[in-house]
Amino acid sequence: ELKVEQNPLFLSMQEGKNYTIYCNYSTTSDRLYWYRQDPGKSLESLFVLLSNGAVKQEGRLMASLDTKARLSTLHITAAVHDLSATYFCAVTDDYKLSFGAGTTVTVRA
Amino acid sequence: DAGVTQSPTHLIKTRGQHVTLRCSPISGHKSVSWYQQVLGQGPQFIFQYYEKEERGRGNFPDRFSARQFPNYSSELNVNALLLGDSALYLCASSLAQGEGTQYFGPGTRLLVL
Repeated sequence: ELKVEQNPLFLSMQEGKNYTIYCNYSTTSDRLYWYRQDPGKSLESLFVLLSNGAVKQEGRLMASLDTKARLSTLHITAAVHDLSATYFCAVTDDYKLSFGAGTTVTVRA
Repeated sequence: DAGVTQSPTHLIKTRGQHVTLRCSPISGHKSVSWYQQVLGQGPQFIFQYYEKEERGRGNFPDRFSARQFPNYSSELNVNALLLGDSALYLCASSLAQGEGTQYFGPGTRLLVL
């Protein structure tokens, strides 16, 4: 069974500083996703990473994938309050997505 | 274009009752998946349907069932509700099984008393 681990589970960020969320998975997969979830809301797709070395950036968020290490990172640059949310990584496992437990991010002034 | 839609948005039931949740995929998407998200956890896979056939099932009891209709919309049914079934139920659609990003609907929040 594919396991997906995220760390940290909780992250208190100071505005303007940089942080990284890590996502490890246990078996090979051909696709890794990052989703954002605001409280009480659904999941918003941020990135899909398809190959080793893939890097995608959108605004202050940048995601990368190392398939050999089975590791993805979500890097946050110069955190701002609007980035407060829970971030999930998910890995394709045959026909379904297996999710990590999520990283709850709070950005403080 | 409309995204994935789900109904109802909220639902309160008592133990032992049954519930039906509905999902309409993005136009052109033929695959629908259902996930259960308990508060504070990541979503857990329940079912995937593609071309009206069940293509995958997660580790959920037989009280959970689903189906997909010719227009690719889907229903999730849960019988004999338990307190532990209280969760956000998410529907996701994609172009085909294993193809493309899964886009999630707003979810149905179920509370079992």
